[in-house]
Amino acid sequence: GEDVEQSLFLSVREGDSSVINCTYTDSSSTYLYWYKQEPGAGLQLLTYIFSNMDMKQDQRLTVLLNKKDKHLSLRIADTQTGDSAIYFCAEIPGYSSASKIIFGSGTRLSIRP
Amino acid sequence: ETGVTQSPTHLIKTRGQQVTLRCSSQSGHNTVSWYQQALGQGPQFIFQYYREEENGRGNFPPRFSGLQFPNYSSELNVNALELDDSALYLCASSLGLAGGPKLTDTQYFGPGTRLTVL
Repeated sequence: GEDVEQSLFLSVREGDSSVINCTYTDSSSTYLYWYKQEPGAGLQLLTYIFSNMDMKQDQRLTVLLNKKDKHLSLRIADTQTGDSAIYFCAEIPGYSSASKIIFGSGTRLSIRP
Repeated sequence: ETGVTQSPTHLIKTRGQQVTLRCSSQSGHNTVSWYQQALGQGPQFIFQYYREEENGRGNFPPRFSGLQFPNYSSELNVNALELDDSALYLCASSLGLAGGPKLTDTQYFGPGTRLTVL
């Protein structure tokens, strides 16, 4: 099937690290993405990782990719209140004839003081 | 901000009516994709247009149709609206180079149009 799976909710204390996990479906997916959606807003591309990489770091964001298990994670260091949002994991399957992004249902990240 | 704009921001229609949503791509982008995001769900791919031609379609019925214009702006039309069509509709633009859109082209999303069908 075409299900990208994520847990629905994550609550972390301000200043701690957040880790959002995702399982994707297609081992031939070339790029895997993390998008952020704040209330009432569209999707913001946060970062992406190419399938031949294991890890990508971009300031407070670290993406880890385990191709064998088709597992992707996003770590946000020093989580701040502005990080409260829904985070979507996404892939473009290699079999797709168009740039058809398949999204997970999103993980709602809330920050505790 | 991505430079992708959508109009209107909100819309209320009744069952059976028709609706047209509009998207203006980021400058220079020749590819537009449309997504439907139901409440509490991730976006679902409706279709993609490249240089005014449809370039792929998701699992949506024919009453969902689209157009892309020479200036690469785009419309999504939905006929015979149903209650389940209530959702946030997102468009995303990207730049497809010679040979057409690639799976690796980054898509930039607009803020969406919230459609409510009563």
